[in-house]
Amino acid sequence: DAKTTQPNSMESNEEEPVHLPCNHSTISGTDYIHWYRQLPSQGPEYVIHGLTSNVNNRMASLAIAEDRKSSTLILHRATLRDAAVYYCILLYNNAGNMLTFGGGTRLMVKP
Amino acid sequence: NAGVTQTPKFQVLKTGQSMTLQCAQDMNHNSMYWYRQDPGMGLRLIYYSASEGTTDKGEVPNGYNVSRLNKREFSLRLESAAPSQTSVYFCASSGQWMAPLHFGNGTRLTVT
Repeated sequence: DAKTTQPNSMESNEEEPVHLPCNHSTISGTDYIHWYRQLPSQGPEYVIHGLTSNVNNRMASLAIAEDRKSSTLILHRATLRDAAVYYCILLYNNAGNMLTFGGGTRLMVKP
Repeated sequence: NAGVTQTPKFQVLKTGQSMTLQCAQDMNHNSMYWYRQDPGMGLRLIYYSASEGTTDKGEVPNGYNVSRLNKREFSLRLESAAPSQTSVYFCASSGQWMAPLHFGNGTRLTVT
């Protein structure tokens, strides 16, 4: 299975943009890039996913490098509620929805 | 709309005791999953059910059994609990192939 590498933790100021990086140098052509986040004492929550093109939704944007070896989750204006662990996960097409979670990035948001 | 509901929220067991963790979803989803999360770690897949009537092992199935009771419910059973099974257990469901997963808020299990 292709693996992802994320920083253990990051800090951001409230109302500023946040760029959360993810490296996945061994990604294959059929791997989708998924992002989930886990708020304290809650189950993970889906954020966004993409294959090749950049993606936007109401929660965030996903920027995928042209060679697909890295991606960046962008929160346009961080709020205190965005403090969570963010997981970047590769999901290959034949795996359906069987997500494999790594350690993720703990995002801390300062008021 | 409750989404994914897990019961109980907390449980303390002694080594060797058995229990069943319950999970129900009201989104008419085909697939359901059980994950465990140890302190400071990511989630690991225990078992999953791609559709009603089928179950398959995930990454860490030893010591667990599952039952897909119907389309709504997917239970996880510990026959003889061990301290190594102290963890937070999350149930999830999804409607379609490659669709996002919806998670419950977890059952916090301590085995002494």
